[in-house]
Amino acid sequence: AQRVTQPEKLLSVFKGAPVELKCNYSYSGSPELFWYVQYSRQRLQLLLRHISRESIKGFTADLNKGETSFHLKKPFAQEEDSAMYYCALRGPDTGGFKTIFGAGTRLFVKA
Amino acid sequence: EPEVTQTPSHQVTQMGQEVILRCVPISNHLYFYWYRQILGQKVEFLVSFYNNEISEKSEIFDDQFSVERPDGSNFTLKIRSTKLEDSAMYFCASSVNRVGTEAFFGQGTRLTVV
Repeated sequence: AQRVTQPEKLLSVFKGAPVELKCNYSYSGSPELFWYVQYSRQRLQLLLRHISRESIKGFTADLNKGETSFHLKKPFAQEEDSAMYYCALRGPDTGGFKTIFGAGTRLFVKA
Repeated sequence: EPEVTQTPSHQVTQMGQEVILRCVPISNHLYFYWYRQILGQKVEFLVSFYNNEISEKSEIFDDQFSVERPDGSNFTLKIRSTKLEDSAMYFCASSVNRVGTEAFFGQGTRLTVV
C-alpha cells in the first residue's frame, strides 16, 4: 500500500534549536518525495523535492531508501518556520501521478 | 510566477444543495486534481483528471461528485447534494508530471455545509 507516515502531529522547539520532522513512506516502486509547507492561511507550497537535493530556507531532506524515510531537517530553527509541514510522495504507480500526503506535522518555534 | 486560482474562497451552502467549486489551473499543465482537507485532518486525494477524463478517483469521490473541464481554462468540482460531512477545505492542483516536477496547489475553497 502507498502510504506516508508523519508520526508527530506537533513539534515545538526553541528558536535556534535544531529541528527534525520525521517522515516514513511505504511504496512499491521508486517514488518522488516532497515536503510541502503551509503557512497560516496560505496555500500548500513546495518546500523541497528529493530529486533536486536542494536546500530551501535552510531545510534539507535526504531520501533513505533502506529505512524508507525522508526526514526534514534544519540546524537552527527560526520563528518564521512555524507552519504545517506535509511529507508527500508521488509516482507513476500511484495512478494519474497523484500526490499522497502524510497527516502533517505542525512546527511551532518559540522565541 | 503562475498560480492555480480557486473561486470562491469560502462557500456556505445548505445541506442538500448543489455546489460548484471552480479552479483555473496553470496554463501549460495537463494533469488536474482535487483534494480535500477536513478540519484537523490530512489532505486527501479525491480525483485526478487528464485528457478530458478521470484517470483515478478515491473512494471518497462517489456519485455525488463530478468534475468537468468545460473550456480550455476552468476545472470544476461539483457536489450534487451536499452533506454536512462535505464541509472541508477543497484544494485544486495541477502539474505537468515530468520527473522532478511537483503539483501546484490553489489557495483552497472552504466549503461549509449547514
